[in-house]
Amino acid sequence: EDQVTQSPEALRLQEGESSSLNCSYTVSGLRGLFWYRQDPGKGPEFLFTLYSAGEEKEKERLKATLTKKESFLHITAPKPEDSATYLCAVRDSGGYQKVTFGIGTKLQVIP
Amino acid sequence: EAQVTQNPRYLITVTGKKLTVTCSQNMNHEYMSWYRQDPGLGLRQIYYSMNVEVTDKGDVPEGYKVSRKEKRNFPLILESPSPNQTSLYFCASSLGAGNTIYFGEGSWLTVV
Repeated sequence: EDQVTQSPEALRLQEGESSSLNCSYTVSGLRGLFWYRQDPGKGPEFLFTLYSAGEEKEKERLKATLTKKESFLHITAPKPEDSATYLCAVRDSGGYQKVTFGIGTKLQVIP
Repeated sequence: EAQVTQNPRYLITVTGKKLTVTCSQNMNHEYMSWYRQDPGLGLRQIYYSMNVEVTDKGDVPEGYKVSRKEKRNFPLILESPSPNQTSLYFCASSLGAGNTIYFGEGSWLTVV
């Protein structure tokens, strides 16, 4: 069974204080690792897809990296508007390519 | 604008009273699915549909029904809602099973 574990569950940062969120996974044949951002009461918003170990993607202050066992979402010099819950998900290589989500990391950036 | 639209966004209902949550997407996506999100449990898939008239169970299908008569619509039906179905529900769609998933804004359902 595919599993996704995100840590920490919650993270509080001062504005400008860089940090990283972790996503550890076990999957039967990785067909993609996804990062989403979710604001309270809203639907998850797509950020990145990573497909193979060593791959990196960037968007503004966010950078996602992937190894064979985990992914990191690095946040450089965060701003209060980066406050949200960040979700990690993996897609496996099964028949309908099931997607399994982690519980998320709730990030709060304080001015 | 490309979007997944759910209705209603907020609903309080009583145990046993049938309800339907509608979902529509305007991106001509083949793959659609329903998730529920609960504190400490994350997003769990209820049902999915690979195409018109093709649906299958996800991880937590008990107490729910779906239908896919048209490509753009994928309603979620609760025939006899119970309090344990109180949750935040998301409809989602993607071009195919292997493509990026796009989510609706969510529907808050409370069953009393």
